[in-house]
Amino acid sequence: QSVLTQPPSVSAAPGQKVTISCSGSSSNIGNNYVSWYQQLPGTAPKLLIYGNNKRPSGIPDRFSGSKSGTSATLGITGLQTGDEADYFCGTWDSSLRAGIFGGGTKLTVL
Amino acid sequence: QVQLQESGPGLVKPSQTLSLTCTVSGDSISSGSYYWSWIRQPAGKGLEWIGRIYTSGSTNYNPSLKSRVTISLDTSKNQFSLKLSSVTAADTAVYYCARESYYYDYGLDVWGQGTTVTVSS
Repeated sequence: QSVLTQPPSVSAAPGQKVTISCSGSSSNIGNNYVSWYQQLPGTAPKLLIYGNNKRPSGIPDRFSGSKSGTSATLGITGLQTGDEADYFCGTWDSSLRAGIFGGGTKLTVL
Repeated sequence: QVQLQESGPGLVKPSQTLSLTCTVSGDSISSGSYYWSWIRQPAGKGLEWIGRIYTSGSTNYNPSLKSRVTISLDTSKNQFSLKLSSVTAADTAVYYCARESYYYDYGLDVWGQGTTVTVSS
């Protein structure tokens, strides 16, 4: 059972928008930066969002991140079939003094 | 361009010690501003953070694994390593090494391709 809570799955049609939530607490999301990772089938995770809402070079602006209190959200607009993947949130937990991840959300583009 | 590559036995017997190495190319492991991390993922499941080491040698470990984990640096070989003792079938997973970067607000910006470790007799 993960410290960060994500919905197991989300789905939407091509071209639509989807959001993925990540819920935590004051010891993790509330006081630390959140990152989001995209894991395409059979590959290693890839950094998608860092510092709550920043995109590394090469990540399209269709991907966005936000944080409010002890929750974070990943948004994806203009969905493409190539976006089908597992998405994980991650952050530091100051009480555990350890990194933590959400359980992951499987995105299906119908 | 920084690249990470995991290596080590793909099969480990129960109760033995799992040992993996991550070779870093394209940058010095002694560079400041980075932590060098290990993450694992059982088949069909989520990511589990194992631990990290800073260039100074200071470490942080997952509390649930702390008693069994050791992460170390070998700056002469530009490598860092993971040792997990007393393994059981529950330790079967894909193991990733990754770089945690200050420049990316401590996000994991570079990952190895992962190596599968099976614990079985």
